[in-house]
Amino acid sequence: GAGVSQSPSNKVTEKGKDVELRCDPISGHTALYWYRQSLGQGLEFLIYFQGNSAPDKSGLPSDRFSAERTGGSVSTLTIQRTQQEDSAVYLCASSEERTGGAYGYTFGSGTRLTVV
Amino acid sequence: AQSVTQLDSQVPVFEEAPVELRCNYSSSVSVYLFWYVQYPNQGLQLLLKYLSGSTLVKGINGFEAEFNKSQTSFHLRKPSVHISDTAEYFCAVTTNAGKSTFGDGTTLTVKP
Repeated sequence: GAGVSQSPSNKVTEKGKDVELRCDPISGHTALYWYRQSLGQGLEFLIYFQGNSAPDKSGLPSDRFSAERTGGSVSTLTIQRTQQEDSAVYLCASSEERTGGAYGYTFGSGTRLTVV
Repeated sequence: AQSVTQLDSQVPVFEEAPVELRCNYSSSVSVYLFWYVQYPNQGLQLLLKYLSGSTLVKGINGFEAEFNKSQTSFHLRKPSVHISDTAEYFCAVTTNAGKSTFGDGTTLTVKP
């Protein structure tokens, strides 16, 4: 597609429920990243995909968080048993990266998750 | 590991005044440097990047940044700001591994 698409744009969920956030990167972009942006804070790295594999998942806050990517394209971030501290904007970015980080990211508009 | 420090969380400035948003970084390996802008209720957009070569890089909307290796800084500047430049600005560093580390952001507010 023309840009990075994320869905839903907004999600309100009850504490303890599971949620799935979707990211559709730019066609042909091999690298995909998930970040979390909490109110008034910077971007917190969650996980990085190169193709379908995740060489760096060091930022996932707990085992309640998981992510997968299929077909080298769409990625899903799943949060199980959501807690109020999970409330944030979840950002997905993709990059035309082949040999390193020189290309910069194209970001989606994010999913605003609110846990009540 | 890399880290990024944006020295000012908020920068208020009057329209048509110059502005500088400061960014320092630390890294044990070579990095690429980026500035991103996030307008209200929008996603982040790449403003400019430094990879190598000339230390002064120009980006969109009249912004420029200067890489200073000895001071490990990458400050963002604009000689004359507009109301439409009101946004949050993020400095980021990336290694060859591709993962970016972002600063906490600087909110630029341009007043009439």
